[in-house]
Amino acid sequence: AQSVTQPDIHITVSEGASLELRCNYSYGATPYLFWYVQSPGQGLQLLLKYFSGDTLVQGIKGFEAEFKRSQSSFNLRKPSVHWSDAAEYFCAVDFSGNTGKLIFGQGTTLQVKP
Amino acid sequence: DGGITQSPKYLFRKEGQNVTLSCEQNLNHDAMYWYRQDPGQGLRLIYYSQIVNDFQKGDIAEGYSVSREKKESFPLTVTSAQKNPTAFYLCASSTPVGRQETQYFGPGTRLLVL
Repeated sequence: AQSVTQPDIHITVSEGASLELRCNYSYGATPYLFWYVQSPGQGLQLLLKYFSGDTLVQGIKGFEAEFKRSQSSFNLRKPSVHWSDAAEYFCAVDFSGNTGKLIFGQGTTLQVKP
Repeated sequence: DGGITQSPKYLFRKEGQNVTLSCEQNLNHDAMYWYRQDPGQGLRLIYYSQIVNDFQKGDIAEGYSVSREKKESFPLTVTSAQKNPTAFYLCASSTPVGRQETQYFGPGTRLLVL
């Protein structure tokens, strides 16, 4: 079955430190890849997406992600975390590439220490 | 402002009662989706609709029903057959740009059982 795995349920980083959130997915020939962020009690906001082309994509709020086909990964990074980045982060994959149906990872909760 | 609205923000259901969650979008998007979110489980797809008067079951459709009579509206009914309805419900919409669909989310409705 197609699946998306976010290995880290919780991550704590200090403000100003770098961040990497991991996302791995099961086999998909031409996956479309997304990262969303959710603040408590709120909906999901799109951070960035990958459809094709350059494997390093830039998003909002200073985030970037790199698609590595050989590792079936789409890790999210930020060079310097701000306290306002504390939230839950979801990786999502459209395996078919044209249905719009997304499979979500279980989410990673980011805590930022002052 | 364009966007997706969900109402109510909180909804309480009594035993044996059907309740309906509203989702409206003014983005002129073709497709709409309903997800259920439980702690530690990410988002799971309940139903989706790619055009008016047509919809398909997602992964956890049992105990739920939907309608799509208008492009901008996709209400979700949680029936009495859904034995564990307490969750956060998220509506999303998307429209394909070429073959690239991106889903945008509403603010969510939290359903609680009395």
